[in-house]
Amino acid sequence: QKEVEQNSGPLSVPEGAIASLNCTYSDRGSQSFFWYRQYSGKSPELIMSIYSNGDKEDGRFTAQLNKASQYVSLLIRDSQPSDSATYLCAVNEGNYQLIWGAGTKLIIKP
Amino acid sequence: ETGVTQSPTHLIKTRGQQVTLRCSSQSGHNTVSWYQQALGQGPQFIFQYYREEENGRGNFPPRFSGLQFPNYSSELNVNALELDDSALYLCASSPGGLSSYEQYFGPGTRLTVT
Repeated sequence: QKEVEQNSGPLSVPEGAIASLNCTYSDRGSQSFFWYRQYSGKSPELIMSIYSNGDKEDGRFTAQLNKASQYVSLLIRDSQPSDSATYLCAVNEGNYQLIWGAGTKLIIKP
Repeated sequence: ETGVTQSPTHLIKTRGQQVTLRCSSQSGHNTVSWYQQALGQGPQFIFQYYREEENGRGNFPPRFSGLQFPNYSSELNVNALELDDSALYLCASSPGGLSSYEQYFGPGTRLTVT
């Protein structure tokens, strides 16, 4: 069964520090990888997509993909209290379906 | 550009009843996916519609059915509601093409079955 694993947390990070979120996946054929942010009671919001090995940066966010090790990570620099949310990792292996992790709860402490 | 919209926002139903949830996709998006999200879990894929045809289905029973209309809006129908159907139901639309896997979510419908 294809799986996406995330540490449920909570991960507590001081304001201004770097938050590091990790995700591993089981299907070596996976091609597309996504990070979503979900605030309590709200729907997921797409933050980053990454398709090839290496780093992809967008503002304070950096996604890192290592297909050989089957992991994808999200770094948040200069963490702000507004970054406190659950971060969901989603993986697509080339068909219609996204496989989702259960999410990591991130708490940024002022 | 209008984002993904869903209706209703909240719904309370009794076990055994039927429910219809609605979704309007983002402008220019021709693919709609439906998800069920229980508290504390990631979204679970129900099915996807592409140009009015079902394009894939997750591990949900046949009492979960759907439609997509020519304007790419969509409905999720659930028959014979069970208590475990209580969840947040999410609709997501995709633009197609190279970015077809980037999905953009509506605000969701919170369904409570009593």
